[in-house]
Order: sequence, then structure tokens, then C-alpha cells
Amino acid sequence: DQQVKQNSPSLSVQEGRISILNCDYTNSMFDYFLWYKKYPAEGPTFLISISSIKDKNEDGRFTVFLNKSAKHLSLHIVPSQPGDSAVYFCATSTSGTYKYIFGTGTRLKVLA
Amino acid sequence: DTEVTQTPKHLVMGMTNKKSLKCEQHMGHRAMYWYKQKAKKPPELMFVYSYEKLSINESVPSRFSPECPNSSLLNLHLHALQPEDSALYLCASSPGQVVSNEQFFGPGTRLTVL
Repeated sequence: DQQVKQNSPSLSVQEGRISILNCDYTNSMFDYFLWYKKYPAEGPTFLISISSIKDKNEDGRFTVFLNKSAKHLSLHIVPSQPGDSAVYFCATSTSGTYKYIFGTGTRLKVLA
Repeated sequence: DTEVTQTPKHLVMGMTNKKSLKCEQHMGHRAMYWYKQKAKKPPELMFVYSYEKLSINESVPSRFSPECPNSSLLNLHLHALQPEDSALYLCASSPGQVVSNEQFFGPGTRLTVL
């Protein structure tokens, strides 16, 4: 039973354009959401997070949007750069716990 | 120092061997984690230590035995593993405050069980 799903296994985007990565979750108890980037042979690197009291958080080229009623979050990268090519995981947690559940991942390829 | 280090980087072991994976952080984090990641799958939580006490065990088989000797170190002892245990084992740490926060991951140990 996959509680966190990223329905697009892969995504290709031209350099300079916007990349939109999506994530859906099923458990309404989740109230903290994170995005990680993973290069081959490396551990995941934290990108950006959002708590359920917000619907948007921005950090440079990265913006995360949260739609609690739809149980959906998205990561926008603009402008996309070739160095952004990696696997992106969303992750969810419930405040006060140490349990993080990762989504299935989306492989992003930014074409030069 | 904002790094989580893991040793060894690669490990090949037989089903009768005993080995250990090591993880270290010097960020003062009080929560440390072990994850298992198979190819093309997300990381799956195995164990969590908070303030050097085991707080989460995700029903992991007893052939995996975690240990947290102090707040900076986390070990995973392996014994009598099966070939299906071959995977990337990731260690992570987080500050350990009540409010959720991000985890910092190490580069992982690539384990192959023959």
C-alpha cells in the first residue's frame, strides 16, 4: 500500500523552462512535506519543505505548492538547468514523529 | 561540518558472514536513521534512534541489528543475510526536535549478499 505516490516515473524538460513534479498522498495525518534530489551513487539531498499550515514555500528557483484538500503537492523548478537532472523524491511526515515516507520518485532530465 | 559519513562504500558478503555498517555525524543531531533502498524504489525506513534510544523498528528481520553507541555514531550489524538483502543502505540524521525537520543523508553503503 503506497501512501505516497509520484505518478510520473520520468520527465524531460528543455533548459530554461519550468519543471513541475507532482506527488500525491493518502494519509491526512501527514502535515510536513519535503522534496529531495538524488544523484546516482549519492544519498538524497534536501531541497525544500512545507508544513501543512502553508500552501506555498519558495526558495530561489524552487517552489513547493501544497493542496491539502486534494492531498497533492508539487515542486516547481524555474528556470530548469542541466544540473537539475536527477531523481526527485517527495517525502511526508507527521509532526512529532521521526517517521518519513518517501514517494516513488521521478527522474528529471533537463535537456541543454 | 554538515556531513553524514558512511563506511564502507561497498560491501560484498556471504550469507554466513557477520559484518557491520557504520555511520557518523558531527552536526549535533539527536535523531539517526537507517534506510534500505532497492533499485528504482524509494528509500524505506528501517530503524530510528532518537537521543540514543531505539524509537522506531519497522518490523525489520533480526538479522539486521542496529546500535547507537553515542549521539554521533550509528551502526548496523549484519548476520546471516539473504541475497534479497542486497541494496543501498542509507544513514540519515536530523536535529531531533519535536517539530519535523529535514534529514541529512550519507552517501550510502552498497551491499551485495552472495
